[in-house]
Amino acid sequence: RKEVEQDPGPFNVPEGATVAFNCTYSNSASQSFFWYRQDCRKEPKLLMSVYSSGNEDGRFTAQLNRASQYISLLIRDSKLSDSATYLCVVPASGGSYIPTFGRGTSLIVHP
Amino acid sequence: EAGVTQSPTHLIKTRGQQATLRCSPISGHTSVYWYQQALGLGLQFLLWYDEGEERNRGNFPPRFSGRQFPNYSSELNVNALELEDSALYLCASSLRGVNQPQHFGDGTRLSIL
Repeated sequence: RKEVEQDPGPFNVPEGATVAFNCTYSNSASQSFFWYRQDCRKEPKLLMSVYSSGNEDGRFTAQLNRASQYISLLIRDSKLSDSATYLCVVPASGGSYIPTFGRGTSLIVHP
Repeated sequence: EAGVTQSPTHLIKTRGQQATLRCSPISGHTSVYWYQQALGLGLQFLLWYDEGEERNRGNFPPRFSGRQFPNYSSELNVNALELEDSALYLCASSLRGVNQPQHFGDGTRLSIL
């Protein structure tokens, strides 16, 4: 299994829809995880941190399933402005302090 | 509080030239990371600096190098530029520690003609 895997998508959803992405990871020792969003040709921006079972921020909910080694990101009531690529980040292993970025999942929200 | 700043925003070079990219981390952050993102691809880890030392490097040739200064700002140098070096170069900073999130600058878009 690759260190971090994401479905590249694109996920094409109408405004107002609920959409969820998963990210699987291989390092069972990982303690914290992050979701970033990246707009086209822009830098990644931190969206949410996931340190235990989950985290919620408005329309966004991130959950961690340690047993199955995946994290998920749920977006409710999708907005046009949510269109972006969502990157999953898994902390480094072995003390290298280098997080592993997933390739990202593309979301397109249409009117 | 100022975020991560990178300069220049755009850089145009020709094959064989050398490029220097600069990054200033968020105040209080001691770790600086450099990534390369070619068009349509994911982030490829280049270098990690912390407390002035190179701590780790990705799978890139030695012509990619850098340094971190006492004020924690950093430079990325790319020698003998090749066409495939054209990419967005992103700098990120964080507090030291494996559970710390990284915060990115706007990037430097390097184009090789």
